[in-house]
Amino acid sequence: LAKTTQPISMDSYEGQEVNITCSHNNIATNDYITWYQQFPSQGPRFIIQGYKTKVTNEVASLFIPADRKSSTLSLPRVSLSDTAVYYCLVGYYQKVTFGIGTKLQVIP
Amino acid sequence: EAQVTQNPRYLITVTGKKLTVTCSQNMNHEYMSWYRQDPGLGLRQIYYSMNVEVTDKGDVPEGYKVSRKEKRNFPLILESPSPNQTSLYFCASSLGSPNSPLHFGNGTRLTVT
Repeated sequence: LAKTTQPISMDSYEGQEVNITCSHNNIATNDYITWYQQFPSQGPRFIIQGYKTKVTNEVASLFIPADRKSSTLSLPRVSLSDTAVYYCLVGYYQKVTFGIGTKLQVIP
Repeated sequence: EAQVTQNPRYLITVTGKKLTVTCSQNMNHEYMSWYRQDPGLGLRQIYYSMNVEVTDKGDVPEGYKVSRKEKRNFPLILESPSPNQTSLYFCASSLGSPNSPLHFGNGTRLTVT
């Protein structure tokens, strides 16, 4: 199983773009990369998923280089409500591996 | 409303007293799984199930049992709880295809004294 490494915490001011990078050197051919957001005492919520190159939705963008050994979640113009823990998840759907998560603190 | 429902939300019990945490989903999902979340350790998978009567161990299965007799339900059983199983537990489900996202329940906070 691919192990993931993310920064433990990040601070950002409101309105800024935030980029969170996840390393997954041992990613397998079939593995997808998925990011989740978690607020305190709630279950994680799906944000975005990709296999290669770039994926964008209404919430975020996900950048995956050709070697797929890392990925970057990009949150445009964050607000206070984006304060949460963000998990990078790598794995085929049966047995997934969560990273420890990145605690993002958005500052007014 | 599509959702994953866990019960109870909070549970305090004593060492050795068998308990069951229920999980039910109304999305006809094939795949279901259980996680525990502890400070500094993130979410760790306990067990998962790819379909009815098919279950397999995750990363931390010791001390837990599961069953999948019906598609919608995936209960987590602690036959003899111990204090080191005090944790926040999450159930999740998905369609089961490689790119289908996980839908999580709201969690069960278990305290074993």
